[in-house]
Amino acid sequence: DAGVIQSPRHEVTEMGQEVTLRCKPISGHNSLFWYRQTMMRGLELLIYFNNNVPIDDSGMPEDRFSAKMPNASFSTLKIQPSEPRDSAVYFCASSFGLAGAGNEQFFGPGTRLTVL
Amino acid sequence: GQQVMQIPQYQHVQEGEDFTTYCNSSTTLSNIQWYKQRPGGHPVFLIQLVKSGEVKKQKRLTFQFGEAKKNSSLHITATQTTDVGTYFCAGHDYKLSFGAGTTVTVRA
Repeated sequence: DAGVIQSPRHEVTEMGQEVTLRCKPISGHNSLFWYRQTMMRGLELLIYFNNNVPIDDSGMPEDRFSAKMPNASFSTLKIQPSEPRDSAVYFCASSFGLAGAGNEQFFGPGTRLTVL
Repeated sequence: GQQVMQIPQYQHVQEGEDFTTYCNSSTTLSNIQWYKQRPGGHPVFLIQLVKSGEVKKQKRLTFQFGEAKKNSSLHITATQTTDVGTYFCAGHDYKLSFGAGTTVTVRA
């Protein structure tokens, strides 16, 4: 199994540009999570999907952030327009079952985003 | 909402010594997970505790879940350089909430 796949691994963009981060979960996993990690705020859950449906998006910072999961094998996190304070490492994770079921989450390698 | 507090934030350990990191939740948890993140890496699952008072061991790592299911600890004995990284606890009530992590450095 290739594990959770994220792309790109690094993204440098200018303020105001649109950024799209991509994630392919582990095959067979039906829960997908987007996290943001910064030194100041640690690891924050942004949104999670179960069976492609957004269950909890209370962690999404503001309307500039949106996430989609059009099918079981693909999800995107979009920031439009991007701002310097969005600079962080964005992790995608997947698991089997519901988020509250206590199943192990498998994290992808992350996308390091820098907004200039 | 649920908050998971983790202390200490940083732990500088002499190789061969023991240390403990602690995790406390504001609410009763259904279970707690521990993850390790190496520098530049991503969090990797270590273990899950479910039962009140549960204790699990992985070689030199001992994990404990409190009786009230609101706190947990990770104790590492005879620290090695391979233990370097950040250890996160993550508490489950209806979703997973991560603590801020304990970043461990080891002096050889």
